[in-house]
Amino acid sequence: EPEVTQTPSHQVTQMGQEVILRCVPISNHLYFYWYRQILGQKVEFLVSFYNNEISEKSEIFDDQFSVERPDGSNFTLKIRSTKLEDSAMYFCASSVPQGISTDTQYFGPGTRLTVL
Amino acid sequence: QKEVEQDPGPLSVPEGAIVSLNCTYSNSAFQYFMWYRQYSRKGPELLMYTYSSGNKEDGRFTAQVDKSSKYISLFIRDSQPSDSATYLCAMSKGVTGGGNKLTFGTGTQLKVEL
Repeated sequence: EPEVTQTPSHQVTQMGQEVILRCVPISNHLYFYWYRQILGQKVEFLVSFYNNEISEKSEIFDDQFSVERPDGSNFTLKIRSTKLEDSAMYFCASSVPQGISTDTQYFGPGTRLTVL
Repeated sequence: QKEVEQDPGPLSVPEGAIVSLNCTYSNSAFQYFMWYRQYSRKGPELLMYTYSSGNKEDGRFTAQVDKSSKYISLFIRDSQPSDSATYLCAMSKGVTGGGNKLTFGTGTQLKVEL
């Protein structure tokens, strides 16, 4: 069964450093997402991406964050200058439309980001 | 008031029990409702999704949505130790055919004991 994959599984970085989290969505999916989950808290939406453009972003997704689909298979989240509060599990998801007005999102296993 | 509220548990039940998991929400614009299962340090796994009010059954799982009460439920029949996980409700407004932001509850931790 196709699945979303993410690399690395765990990333440790120093505050102020740039990190790039990578995702390979399911191959026939059209919409891509990043969510994050701070330890002990709920999963929060960061951004959705379609047709090489951001569709929607949350308040969390400020100028320090960017997303890119550099080729036909990868989808990346870049954090330019990491802060301690960026420490979280980051999940990539992808979806394909199910009818007129919904899509079913499938999540990857996540990348645990630790900012020291 | 939080957009989506979910009792965090933990909920502990004996094997074979019927489990009821619930979420309430405040935003009447939500139309699509999902249940995800999340094992420790793993990604959410989609279990069920339903549109608007009504019931949907899939094997041992039944999802119910009552939009008039802004209340959704997931029932697990004949619960197994392998069902032990955190169950997340999620919902979206379903405005477009894709790219719909999911709003999650905090998750209910379930433990099914032998």
